[in-house]
Amino acid sequence: QSALTQPPSASGSPGQSVTISCTGASSDVGGYNYVSWYQQHPGKAPKLMIYDVNKRPSGVPDRFSGSKSGNTASLTVSGLQAEDEADYYCTSFAGSNTLGVFGGGTKLTVL
Amino acid sequence: QVQLVESGGGVVQPGTSLRLSCAASGFNFRNYGMHWVRQAPGKGLEWVAVFWSDGIKKHYLDSVKGRFTISRDNSNNMLYLQMNNLREEDTAVYYCARDLSYYADEFWGQGTKVTVSS
Repeated sequence: QSALTQPPSASGSPGQSVTISCTGASSDVGGYNYVSWYQQHPGKAPKLMIYDVNKRPSGVPDRFSGSKSGNTASLTVSGLQAEDEADYYCTSFAGSNTLGVFGGGTKLTVL
Repeated sequence: QVQLVESGGGVVQPGTSLRLSCAASGFNFRNYGMHWVRQAPGKGLEWVAVFWSDGIKKHYLDSVKGRFTISRDNSNNMLYLQMNNLREEDTAVYYCARDLSYYADEFWGQGTKVTVSS
């Protein structure tokens, strides 16, 4: 149950795009197309933004997109808005006989 | 609409027990995997226990194996987390959540706070 690796911080100006990476291993991110991304504002429950690498739940703006290459998944936020400022966490399925793992989280700042 | 409401948190001493409950409504409970996720103060998210919709498979965080037990009552739409031999490092907000896909939880409760302190 090793945590996925995310940069601790990211930033961008309103209207810009920012990409957050999430690096795992062939046993989790690289081995399955079950990577999800969550947004969390202070004091609030997490909100699912992307699932199954690149799918958006109903109601999530298409400014949010996900992708994966090898053992690294990425979340891209386009057209940054002030309300996008939050913590973002990635997570991945790691096989049917073990628990999934989270990344350590990335604090996104909108400058 | 889907609702998840946790209860049962509180302040307890190390070595004691708590049972968290999560009341679910607005969906066919038995058809979904249900999870407990926790967040220690100032820290990141951590999967604690998952109970898949097959009603059989459960997985636990290594540090809680043998101490925590996840269970569900499909007749009453309830999810539980029995926490025994609590440690100070179990201090966190505990959320219950409903899955959409593997580790993709679309609906979350408001969280219940557990503080383990002597």
